Order: sequence, then C-alpha cells, then structure tokens
Amino acid sequence: DGGITQSPKYLFRKEGQNVTLSCEQNLNHDAMYWYRQDPGQGLRLIYYSQIVNDFQKGDIAEGYSVSREKKESFPLTVTSAQKNPTAFYLCASSIGTALNQPQHFGDGTRLSIL
Amino acid sequence: QQPVQSPQAVILREGEDAVINCSSSKALYSVHWYRQKHGEAPVFLMILLKGGEQKGHEKISASFNEKKQQSSLYLTASQLSYSGTYFCGTETNTGNQFYFGTGTSLTVIP
Repeated sequence: DGGITQSPKYLFRKEGQNVTLSCEQNLNHDAMYWYRQDPGQGLRLIYYSQIVNDFQKGDIAEGYSVSREKKESFPLTVTSAQKNPTAFYLCASSIGTALNQPQHFGDGTRLSIL
Repeated sequence: QQPVQSPQAVILREGEDAVINCSSSKALYSVHWYRQKHGEAPVFLMILLKGGEQKGHEKISASFNEKKQQSSLYLTASQLSYSGTYFCGTETNTGNQFYFGTGTSLTVIP
C-alpha cells in the first residue's frame, strides 16, 4: 500500500543537539511539506519542496533545515538554534506541484526536550 | 495570513447540524478542508477551487465565496464519527502560499 512513513514516532532531544526526522513516501508525489503543530493549535508550515533539489521556507523555518535529494524522501533537521522544538511534526505530500492538490499526511513525530 | 475559523469549538448531539466558517484576509484561489482526530494525522475531506463552487461528501458539504474570501463547511445529521478538529487550508491568489486555519474542535455526543 502506498503512503507516507514518518519515523521515529517519538523523539527526545537534549539541549544543544540536532535531530533529524525522517519522512518517506511511495506515492510518487512531487511535492512534500513539513508542518509543526503545537497543542491546541493549527498547522504551521516549516518548509515545502515541489521538486527534487529545491525547497522553500514556510512561515517558521528558523531553526530548521531540510533536504530533498530524492523524490521519495524529505528529512527535517531540528537544529540547536530552534529554542522551543517540543511539538508534533507532520510530513505531507501531494501529487503535482500546484498547491491546490490534496495533501496526504504521515502519522507524525512527537519531539520533546529532555 | 492564517485564515480564521469560527466557531473555535462546538458540541453537538447526534443528528444535529453544524457550520464551520473559514475567513481569509487575502484573495484565495482554493480552499481545502481536513479533519484531524485526536493524536492522529489530518485527513483530507475536499477541495474547492476559485469559481464559487459547492461540493458534497456524504453528509458533509462545503461552499466557497471567493468575493468574500470565505468558505463554509456544512455537517448535516452529525454522527459520532464526525468528532475531531476541522481545519481549512487556503491557497492564496498572490503566489505560492498555503496556510492552514486556526481549527474548529467539533464534539458529537450521543
């Protein structure tokens, strides 16, 4: 079955540490997205990529970095510069490069500070 | 830039109807609607494109008024399974921008 796989499901970060969240899709989708969701809040866009080797910053890109070396993969690194990283992180993908396509989400990664 | 949803929360009894509104300060090209159950990923419900269309999905339908930069989601004869948080997502007319709304928590009780 096609889908989006995020790993790990839970992740703990020590102060000053970088951590990488994995997102893989086998839907052959062109576009991929990373969102951050805080408790009781909506989804805020961190980064998105419409084609391989290209990505754009969303509203809250500071303290995060991404890469898109393969169509199927869009890992997100939460750097030590992100002072408040505790949140639920969601990866999504959509067919085509237009923003008016349905987004399919992974099950998310919960990141906490130790 | 984030669209505003109203109400923030609503509690319904099974069989009652609800309307969730999504309002943007920017001109819109499309509006998405998603439902997220607690602790799960959002699930796509429908997309409405510029042109003022209305769509239906079983007992859940939506409208898009591009002049007012608003969309509304209509839930009729609500079922327990409708409980969750509903988000609109808006694609603006002015470039490659997409924003999710503030969310509406909907609880259906027996």
